[in-house]
Amino acid sequence: SYVLTQPPSVSVAPGQTARITCGGNNIGSKSVHWYQQKPGQAPVLVVYDDSDRPSGIPERFSGSNSGNTATLTISRVEAGDEADYYCQVWDSSSDHQVFGTGTKVTVL
Amino acid sequence: QVQLVQSGAEVKKPGSSVKVSCKASGGTFSSYAISWVRQAPGQGLEWMGGIIPIFGTANYAQKFQGRVTITTDESTSTAYMELSSLRSEDTAVYYCARDKRELLKLGAFDIWGQGTMVTVSS
Repeated sequence: SYVLTQPPSVSVAPGQTARITCGGNNIGSKSVHWYQQKPGQAPVLVVYDDSDRPSGIPERFSGSNSGNTATLTISRVEAGDEADYYCQVWDSSSDHQVFGTGTKVTVL
Repeated sequence: QVQLVQSGAEVKKPGSSVKVSCKASGGTFSSYAISWVRQAPGQGLEWMGGIIPIFGTANYAQKFQGRVTITTDESTSTAYMELSSLRSEDTAVYYCARDKRELLKLGAFDIWGQGTMVTVSS
């Protein structure tokens, strides 16, 4: 089955840039989606199809995808960005959705 | 705008079954894929399976094959997830989530239910 690997944690100072990676075999050939989840809340879609943002999501959230790594970038990080972040793809070979292992972003 | 409202928390005995509902309101139901995703305490998100109501056929993650059944009732715009042979490891929050695009299962879940806590304990 397809596996997505994320770093367990990323720490960043307010105003700086956080980059969260999502590794998978030839992930560049798939569409990657990213979710933000705060404690006790349902996940929220922040980036879809590698780099598109749903309405209402700040431009500070951006995504890229190439080769074996997809990246979610959060620019000008704010305290409110502290959350868990998950990448996700649809694996066409199995017709299954796959979530990454998750990354906890801590704002210092 | 579309909302997904799930049924309330459940406490179940090991070996029993649980059925969680997810009712859509405010928009089209039948042509959007609904997936079920669970999250054990302190753990990550885990996809269990999904269905496009108008097509009626669900597919399931291998881990849950034979134990999970996902169905829909188009007349009430409700999706259901039934998990059988419950064990303590099934204690989790169960979410339903809707795919962003019609008639496709490409992921990008833009609408989520509020979650249903299922506790399995003797």
